[in-house]
Amino acid sequence: EVQLVESGGGLVKPGASLKLSCVASGFTFSDYWMSWVRQTPGKTMEWIGDIKYDGSYTNYAPSLKNRFTISRDNAKSTLYLQMSNVRSEDTATYYCTRERDPLMVASDYWGQGVMVTVSS
Amino acid sequence: DIQMTQSPASLSASLGETVSIECLASEGISNDLAWYQQKSGKSPQLLIYAASRLQDGVPSRFSGSGSGTRYSLKISGMQPEDEADYFCQQSYKYPYTFGAGTKLELK
Repeated sequence: EVQLVESGGGLVKPGASLKLSCVASGFTFSDYWMSWVRQTPGKTMEWIGDIKYDGSYTNYAPSLKNRFTISRDNAKSTLYLQMSNVRSEDTATYYCTRERDPLMVASDYWGQGVMVTVSS
Repeated sequence: DIQMTQSPASLSASLGETVSIECLASEGISNDLAWYQQKSGKSPQLLIYAASRLQDGVPSRFSGSGSGTRYSLKISGMQPEDEADYFCQQSYKYPYTFGAGTKLELK
């Protein structure tokens, strides 16, 4: 059974840094592109970025590129999202997703989500 | 960025009714479109990818169609368990972008 389990969220102050993790199981992690998606309290969905199966290539939403970094450790089947200089507008639920196929891209598995609240 | 305009924002349907939700892309996306269902308090689930391909395990009453800039999700016979939020997402060009969502309720 495919499972994606995020962790690392919580309450953080503006300007702080935070690193989210996503541990994958039930599939060969190193075979898949992975992505991060966030959902605001108002339910708006925003694609953050994705990373190639070997970690050699990343893409980001331009508005987040300077503050967010996606990485992975295939030996640990773990995906990461490093967030820096967080702002109140980063308050959201963050999802780790598996991209099913590089030719017909869609997120076929999602984690349970982890909440990040940015507030002083 | 490609803008995805999803409509309607909310919808109420009776049991057994056929429902359609649309997404209009700001430019052609060559069928690189997915539909997701999100039930209350849960993570999104993939329904349709590549505009019209049904994800494994998804009931056949769900279907997707469209081309160019216009795409739609159809539910042929509303069921109680279909009450949820629905989102479209384009994967034609980075950054991948979502529609604003449609809230579907059972009348």
